[in-house]
Amino acid sequence: NAGVTQTPKFRVLKTGQSMTLLCAQDMNHEYMYWYRQDPGMGLRLIHYSVGEGTTAKGEVPDGYNVSRLKKQNFLLGLESAAPSQTSVYFCASSPAGENTEAFFGQGTRLTVV
Amino acid sequence: GNSVTQMEGPVTLSEEAFLTINCTYTATGYPSLFWYVQYPGEGLQLLLKATKADDKGSNKGFEATYRKETTSFHLEKGSVQVSDSAVYFCALSDRGATNKLIFGTGTLLAVQP
Repeated sequence: NAGVTQTPKFRVLKTGQSMTLLCAQDMNHEYMYWYRQDPGMGLRLIHYSVGEGTTAKGEVPDGYNVSRLKKQNFLLGLESAAPSQTSVYFCASSPAGENTEAFFGQGTRLTVV
Repeated sequence: GNSVTQMEGPVTLSEEAFLTINCTYTATGYPSLFWYVQYPGEGLQLLLKATKADDKGSNKGFEATYRKETTSFHLEKGSVQVSDSAVYFCALSDRGATNKLIFGTGTLLAVQP
């Protein structure tokens, strides 16, 4: 059981380039999330989805877009990367319902130079 | 808005020492509370949770009690091991229809043999 898989694991971008991070889960979870982790700031929610075809903004959505065309996949896009987007990105998924556990991927370390 | 405050790290302990990591929260309503752990190079995984006042979550020798009167959820372990070295995150979920998590900044624990 793979759980939550993120690709790629590492990436270096130049300022202004675009890229897409892919998150795939095989647990049939309804909810999916993208977080960024920065030193001294914990994890902050970028965007999330409560079902196929739905997305919503989190705490720090600016500069990112997302899509959930299939239930198992949640894509995070950077249209024009900036150095401030250098971070470690985590995808998570959880079943619907209160108090359910979130399962996290192993992260993508992105550096924008 | 909702928020979580954790004690600053790093925390350095000798093997078999007693561990406390403080966590307090601010929330409207009655959030669910969680501790997640991140081992080096990995994503986060749920350590324990509590969903209502006076609940005690426990796992792998770790415990935390949901204290509504002090808005706290401190993590404790009676005897730490080198294998407990990791970053620990306190988090809350607002019981809404999304299970979004709000994280503290994380506390690095280093256990020396």
